[in-house]
Amino acid sequence: EDKVVQSPLSLVVHEGDTVTLNCSYEVTNFRSLLWYKQEKKAPTFLFMLTSSGIEKKSGRLSSILDKKELSSILNITATQTGDSAIYLCAVEELGSSGSARQLTFGSGTQLTVLP
Amino acid sequence: DAGVTQSPTHLIKTRGQHVTLRCSPISGHKSVSWYQQVLGQGPQFIFQYYEKEERGRGNFPDRFSARQFPNYSSELNVNALLLGDSALYLCASSLLFSSPDTQYFGPGTRLTVL
Repeated sequence: EDKVVQSPLSLVVHEGDTVTLNCSYEVTNFRSLLWYKQEKKAPTFLFMLTSSGIEKKSGRLSSILDKKELSSILNITATQTGDSAIYLCAVEELGSSGSARQLTFGSGTQLTVLP
Repeated sequence: DAGVTQSPTHLIKTRGQHVTLRCSPISGHKSVSWYQQVLGQGPQFIFQYYEKEERGRGNFPDRFSARQFPNYSSELNVNALLLGDSALYLCASSLLFSSPDTQYFGPGTRLTVL
């Protein structure tokens, strides 16, 4: 069965710390890996990584895809209290009918940044 | 531009009842997907619709059904509700079907089954 595993499940840090969140996957027809931030309800998109784009950076956030190890990391430097959220990793794969857009999510990492 | 909208925001039902959840995608988006997120877990894929046709289905029982209308809005129907159906139901829209695009999520409908 296809699956996406995130670690750690939860993390508590202080402002200014650097954190690394991990995501490993095992899917049949990998297409892309996405990271989302979920603060209350709607997950908001952070990054999409594909075979042609294995490293992305935006401000204090960056992510790398390791297709050989079937994993990805999300780094957040100089953390702020506003970074407190659940970070979700999702893998997009092609369905059996040729459909795309089917995302398999991990359970998320709950990040808490203390002042 | 308005984002993805969902209604209602919250809903309380009892076991055995039926529920209909609604989603309006971002203007111009033709693909809508539905996800169920149980507390403490990541969202789980239920359906994807594109151009009014079902293009993908997750591992959910036949009590779950959906449809997409000519204006690309969508409904998710759940029959014979069970306690385990209590969850946040998320709708996501995307512009294209098979391109490396991104999905944009709505705020969700919180369903509580008593």
